[in-house]
Amino acid sequence: KNQVEQSPQSLIILEGKNCTLQCNYTVSPFSNLRWYKQDTGRGPVSLTIMTFSENTKSNGRYTATLDADTKQSSLHITASQLSDSASYICVVSAWGSYIPTFGRGTSLIVHP
Amino acid sequence: KAGVTQTPRYLIKTRGQQVTLSCSPISGHRSVSWYQQTPGQGLQFLFEYFSETQRNKGNFPGRFSGRQFSNSRSEMNVSTLELGDSALYLCASSQGTGNYGYTFGSGTRLTVV
Repeated sequence: KNQVEQSPQSLIILEGKNCTLQCNYTVSPFSNLRWYKQDTGRGPVSLTIMTFSENTKSNGRYTATLDADTKQSSLHITASQLSDSASYICVVSAWGSYIPTFGRGTSLIVHP
Repeated sequence: KAGVTQTPRYLIKTRGQQVTLSCSPISGHRSVSWYQQTPGQGLQFLFEYFSETQRNKGNFPGRFSGRQFSNSRSEMNVSTLELGDSALYLCASSQGTGNYGYTFGSGTRLTVV
C-alpha cells in the first residue's frame, strides 16, 4: 500500500532559525515527489517537485532533498520568517497512477 | 494567467440537503481532480476528470459525484449531506499528461449543520 509519512507532526521555531521537515514514502514505482505549503484555509501551493534523478531542488529559502534509495525526502527552511507559518505537505506520485499519495503534513509555527 | 478558481468560498448547509461546488481550471488544463481535507484525515482524493470523463475515483460513497464540461470546468455534487461532510473541498488542475504541475484552488469551506 502506498503511504507517505511526515515528521514531525508539528514544529515551533523562532523567527530567523532554520528547520528541516521529513518525509518518508513507500510509493512504488516512484514518479515524483512534491512539497506544498498550505496556509490556513487556503489551497496548497507548490514549492518544489523532484523526479527520481534529482537529489536537490531549491526555491528561495526552501531546499528539498530526495534520497530515492532510502525513500526519504526533507524540506529545509533557511532563516525562517513569520510568513512561513503554515502546513507543509509531502505528495508522492507513482508511475501509471493519476492519484497522488498525500502525507498528513507538518504544521510549522514561527514565533517572533 | 489566471489560477484555479473555486466557488463559492464558503457554504453553510443543513443535514440532508445537497450542494454543488464549482471549479474552473487554468486555461489549457484538461484534468481536474477533487479532494476533501479535514483535520483528522488530511487530504483525501475524491475523483479526477479528464476531457469530460471520470478517469479515477477515490474511496468515497456514491453521494459524492462530479462532472466535467467541454470547457474543462468541473462541478462536484454532494447529496444528502451529513455532519461529517464538513470540510475544505479543494480542486486541482493539471495538463493531464502525467503527474506534474498540479495547481490547487483556494477551496470551498463547507459547513454542514
